[in-house]
Amino acid sequence: DAKTTQPPSMDCAEGRAANLPCNHSTISGNEYVYWYRQIHSQGPQYIIHGLKNNETNEMASLIITEDRKSSTLILPHATLRDTAVYYCIVRGPFNAGNNRKLIWGLGTSLAVNP
Amino acid sequence: DTGVSQDPRHKITKRGQNVTFRCDPISEHNRLYWYRQTLGQGPEFLTYFQNEAQLEKSRLLSDRFSAERPKGSFSTLEIQRTEQGDSAMYLCASSLPGAIMNTGELFFGEGSRLTVL
Repeated sequence: DAKTTQPPSMDCAEGRAANLPCNHSTISGNEYVYWYRQIHSQGPQYIIHGLKNNETNEMASLIITEDRKSSTLILPHATLRDTAVYYCIVRGPFNAGNNRKLIWGLGTSLAVNP
Repeated sequence: DTGVSQDPRHKITKRGQNVTFRCDPISEHNRLYWYRQTLGQGPEFLTYFQNEAQLEKSRLLSDRFSAERPKGSFSTLEIQRTEQGDSAMYLCASSLPGAIMNTGELFFGEGSRLTVL
């Protein structure tokens, strides 16, 4: 799986959009970009994933550049409960083998401030 | 759907003691994973089950570690003769079978935090 690079920490004001970048310059054509987050002392939680197109769900939006070498996770209206470590992960197609090979990295610690 | 549950949430033990953690996955998930996470690091893969079969073990899983999933439902992770370096959060995750109609998402439990004194 490709490695990812994320800033170690970011701050965001409550109610504003939080834009979390991720670089994955060695991503392969069949690899997906996944985002998870981990609130303090809890297990990681799936947020969103994408392959080529931008994706949106009830939690966030994922913007993937045309060359697929980087992506941005957008939390449109950050709340205090969004304070967490956000992990950007690149993995192959859907099978358990690719799940167990996930390389999590250190993630970005997002602090949402009142 | 009660999610993935893990027990106990916290365990403090003395070096040399044995500890056992239990994981109950989401009922229709046939795949179960164990991860370890130390402070400030991302989760690291330990082992994986498909139904009752343990299909892969990481080199991180030393001989003191053993995991079982006897009936393809709940799983246990046992650590024998604990060492201070075993102090970590032990995370269990489960996922749906197959690729079709599957986001590939891992569903994690709250984790079991082990402190070895």
